[in-house]
Amino acid sequence: NAGVTQTPKFQVLKTGQSMTLQCAQDMNHEYMSWYRQDPGMGLRLIHYSVGAGITDQGEVPNGYNVSRSTTEDFPLRLLSAAPSQTSVYFCASSTDSYYGYTFGSGTRLTVV
Amino acid sequence: GDSVTQMEGPVTLSEEAFLTINCTYTATGYPSLFWYVQYPGEGLQLLLKATKADDKGSNKGFEATYRKETTSFHLEKGSVQVSDSAVYFCALRRPGNTGKLIFGQGTTLQVKP
Repeated sequence: NAGVTQTPKFQVLKTGQSMTLQCAQDMNHEYMSWYRQDPGMGLRLIHYSVGAGITDQGEVPNGYNVSRSTTEDFPLRLLSAAPSQTSVYFCASSTDSYYGYTFGSGTRLTVV
Repeated sequence: GDSVTQMEGPVTLSEEAFLTINCTYTATGYPSLFWYVQYPGEGLQLLLKATKADDKGSNKGFEATYRKETTSFHLEKGSVQVSDSAVYFCALRRPGNTGKLIFGQGTTLQVKP
């Protein structure tokens, strides 16, 4: 049971480049979310999904897109990377709205 | 909107000291409450949870009680160890079809031998 798997673990992008952060879970969880973590800012919700085909914006969605074509996968796309998107990104999944989320190990992204 | 407020850190304690990290929340209805821990260079791990008023969550010697009258969920441990050094996050989640998890800012704990 792998839990929540994020790839890559580290990435350096140039300003303006696009890329996709991958997230997969093997627990058949309906709920999935993307967060970014910045020093002094805690974790901020970017996008979330309550099931395949259903996504919505979180607190800081600008510059990011998501889709949820399957229960297992929830990729995060950076459309045109900016230095302000330098951060650590966490994907998480959950089975029920009463319980906590299981987090992946994170992707550390640097935009130069 | 929903929010979580934690005491500012860093918190520095000597080994075997008593730990309290304060957490208060604002939310409509009856959210579930959580404490997560993040060790250096790692992701977040669920430490404990409580899903209704007066519930006490506990794990690894840590405890927190869901106090609806004071909208609080303070984290406590009777005797901390160096290995408890980490960042602790309080979070809430309102039941419903959004399922969003809202975090506090995090409190860094450093335990010295």
